[in-house]
Order: sequence, then structure tokens, then C-alpha cells
Amino acid sequence: DIQMTQSPSSLSASVGDRVTITCRASQSVNNYVHWCRQKPGRGPELLIYAASTLQSGVPSRFSASGSGTDFTLTISSLQPEDFATYYCQQSLFFPWTFGQGTKVDIK
Amino acid sequence: QVRLVESGGGVVQPGRSLRLSCAASGFGFSQYGMHWFRQAPGKGLEWVAIIWFDGSKSKYADSVKGRFTISRDNSEDTLYLQLSSLRVDDTAIYYCARDRKGYGYYADYWGQGTLVTVSS
Repeated sequence: DIQMTQSPSSLSASVGDRVTITCRASQSVNNYVHWCRQKPGRGPELLIYAASTLQSGVPSRFSASGSGTDFTLTISSLQPEDFATYYCQQSLFFPWTFGQGTKVDIK
Repeated sequence: QVRLVESGGGVVQPGRSLRLSCAASGFGFSQYGMHWFRQAPGKGLEWVAIIWFDGSKSKYADSVKGRFTISRDNSEDTLYLQLSSLRVDDTAIYYCARDRKGYGYYADYWGQGTLVTVSS
């Protein structure tokens, strides 16, 4: 199975901060990497698909890049609703696999 | 708008069975692949299974293969997950999700989940 390694596992930040989360795949997954946000007690929400494409309706403060094995999610100016857990996920190979998650909380 | 509503969760003893349902609305259900994911308490997300748009093919995580069965009724816009030979480590919130294509590309909409607790 493909291992997806996210870092950091948690971070503390303030409203307005720029936040970057990285994800590394154990082998190339081309651009079949997607990012989602999960607020406490809620189902996940897709933010970015195909490594860098913003899902419809998602604010432009979210951006992402990468291909092959190394990927990055950036939030340019953290908003109160962004305090949540973020996951990367690969879909090139079954079984689909996720990173362990990055919890973003309030500093 | 796309809406996915899971149901059927509950408390069940190890070794028993349970069937989860996911009612879909707001899109052409029969045109899209569908997934089940799960999340154990305090843990991360795990992909469980996918079924092709027409029900012709399915794939499973090794952890559930041979015990869980994904199916769909395109006339009722409903997705199912039959859970059998349940184990304590199957305890989780189970989410259904829509695939962007018919056969597995990425999950673009998720439900709010239904909790399955396996305990004696």
C-alpha cells in the first residue's frame, strides 16, 4: 500500500497566519492527491483535487501544489472556520490511503 | 445540492451483522461511483470500499475484504454497506461519499456519518 506521510501532525496558529502542510507519498502517485478539511463532529469536505485544483465553492485562500511524491497545502490567511484537521489522500492505487492528518488549532 | 445521509448504525456484538444505508439526492446517482470511508474514535480517515456507477465492479480495503459488501440500488438512489463478522476494531463512524467519476477518481461530497459500535 502507498504510505502518505503528513507533517506536521499538529500546529498552533493565529487568525491571519499563513499555514503550510506537507504530504509525502511512499512512491509516485502522479497528481492523484487530494486535500480535505474535517471540522469537529462533521464529515470531511474536499478542498483541493488533482494536487492543485480548487474545488468549486472553496475560498481562494486555499492553494496546493506538487506532483510525484511531494505535495503541499497552503492557507494564505487562516480564518476561524479553518481550525480543523486536514488530510491528504492518494487515489492512484487501491487501496486509497490517507495521511495521518494535521490538526490546526488556535494559538 | 448534493446530499448524502447515512443511517443504520448502532451498537452490535462482535460476530454479528449490520447493514448501513446512504440516501443520495441532488445529483444523478446512477452516473457516479460511490464510496464508504470510516473513522475510528480519535483516529484518521480510512477508505473502506468503492462501487462502480453501474454496480459492475467493487473494491475493498484488505481490513474488510470478505466481511463487508458494498452494493447500490440505482432505482432508489441508495448505497449500502453490509457489515458481517464484526470485530471490535470495526468500531467507527462510517461515511458515504460520491466519486467525481463513475469508477474512482476522487471523493467530492461526503455525508455526516453513522456510528457503528462493536461491543459485547
